[in-house]
Amino acid sequence: DGGITQSPKYLFRKEGQNVTLSCEQNLNHDAMYWYRQDPGQGLRLIYYSQIVNDFQKGDIAEGYSVSREKKESFPLTVTSAQKNPTAFYLCASSQRGRVADTQYFGPGTRLTVL
Amino acid sequence: KNQVEQSPQSLIILEGKNCTLQCNYTVSPFSNLRWYKQDTGRGPVSLTIMTFSENTKSNGRYTATLDADTKQSSLHITASQLSDSASYICVVSSFNAGKSTFGDGTTLTVKP
Repeated sequence: DGGITQSPKYLFRKEGQNVTLSCEQNLNHDAMYWYRQDPGQGLRLIYYSQIVNDFQKGDIAEGYSVSREKKESFPLTVTSAQKNPTAFYLCASSQRGRVADTQYFGPGTRLTVL
Repeated sequence: KNQVEQSPQSLIILEGKNCTLQCNYTVSPFSNLRWYKQDTGRGPVSLTIMTFSENTKSNGRYTATLDADTKQSSLHITASQLSDSASYICVVSSFNAGKSTFGDGTTLTVKP
C-alpha cells in the first residue's frame, strides 16, 4: 500500500516543549514538503527538501526545524520558539520537486498547544 | 506578489445541483494550475492539473477551465453528491518561484 503516512494524527503539547511530527513516504519520491494550515487560510510552506541531506526554508520557517537523513523520511520539529504552533500540519511529497510534479499529501497531524 | 484568490468562500447547494467555483490569480510567469479536494481533517487530493495551453480538463463530474489571458480558472461540479462536501483548493505554480501559491479554498456543503 503506497503513500504518505503522518503520525500522530492528534498531538497535544505544553507551552515551552519541543515536539516532532513524523512523515514517511514509500513512493520513492525525491522531494518532500511541510505545510501549515490554519482555519480558513491557505496552506503555507514551512520547509521543503528536494534531496537527501538538503532542505530549504519556506515562507514561515521560523520556530521550526527539519532533517532529511533518509529519502523516505522528513520529520518536522516544532520548537518552543514557534509563537503560535496550534495548527493542522500537512506533509507532502513529489517525484522530483519540479513545479510540474503533483504533490501527494499525507493525512495530516493536528497539533494543539495547551 | 503572487496571489491566488478563490470565491465564494463558502457555498451550500442541494444534492443533485451543479455549482461553479472560481479562482483568480496573479502568479507570473505561469507554469500550471491545480485544483485539490480536501475532506475535513484530511490531506488534499489532486483533481486536475492544467498548463498554459489547456483551457478545459475533466475528471468525472469535475470540469476545470482555464483562461490564461484573464488569469482565471473555474471548477464546475455536475450533479453534486453528498460526498462532494469538502474544501476545494486552487494552487498555482510559477517557474520563477519554484514553488506553489495556495488559495484559501472554497468550502462546499452539499445537503440532501
